Amino acid sequence: QVQLQESGPGLVKPSETLSLTCAVSGGSISSSYWSWIRQPPGKGLEWIGYISNSGNPSYNASLKSRVTISVVTSKNQFSLKLSSVTAADTAIYYCAREYNGWYYFDYWGQGTLVTVSS
Amino acid sequence: QLVLAQSPSASASLGASVKLTCTLSSGHSNYAIAWHQQQPEKGPRFLMKVNSDGSHSKGDGIPDRFSGSSSGAERYLTISSLQSEDEADYYCQTWGTGIRVFGGGTKLTVL
Repeated sequence: QVQLQESGPGLVKPSETLSLTCAVSGGSISSSYWSWIRQPPGKGLEWIGYISNSGNPSYNASLKSRVTISVVTSKNQFSLKLSSVTAADTAIYYCAREYNGWYYFDYWGQGTLVTVSS
Repeated sequence: QLVLAQSPSASASLGASVKLTCTLSSGHSNYAIAWHQQQPEKGPRFLMKVNSDGSHSKGDGIPDRFSGSSSGAERYLTISSLQSEDEADYYCQTWGTGIRVFGGGTKLTVL
């Protein structure tokens, strides 16, 4: 059973960089695609980006200039960095695994709330 | 442009059935989609993948009350014998090269 766990600061100041990590257990980080998804309070889901099993990332065009997703294979983790944050980036951030070859999210983390405020 | 459309809300009575719809944008009617359930104050959970031919494959532990089907550009999630715990937001999701897309979600109320 694959499990994902997000971690990182719950409060980030405007203009700073949001940094989150997703720890994966029960499966190898090298064998799947991994995504970050967010959900502003009371709103729907928004895909942020993914990193492929070969380490190649792809990002939502609306966030591309501010997002970096990378993998730390030795720790079976992947990470999210979102720069120049504003209050509009306040959301619950989820990490998720993509089912091999089909790219739907079959396992989700529980999510972590990040608030952008001074 | 790859877009998914969902009705914002739906309702049905306890014990009844309900059919939720997800519509693929023009030119994408052969795409598969996935359905995810988000119960109040919880993270999303994968329910099933639905192919363009109507075949579907469910996630681990998803009850038989949940089924999927297709017609043209529409993908459906049918929930039968509705229970109170089925009251949730339901999102469809699809994918293309370098892109992943969610529908706006349907809030299901069980009366």
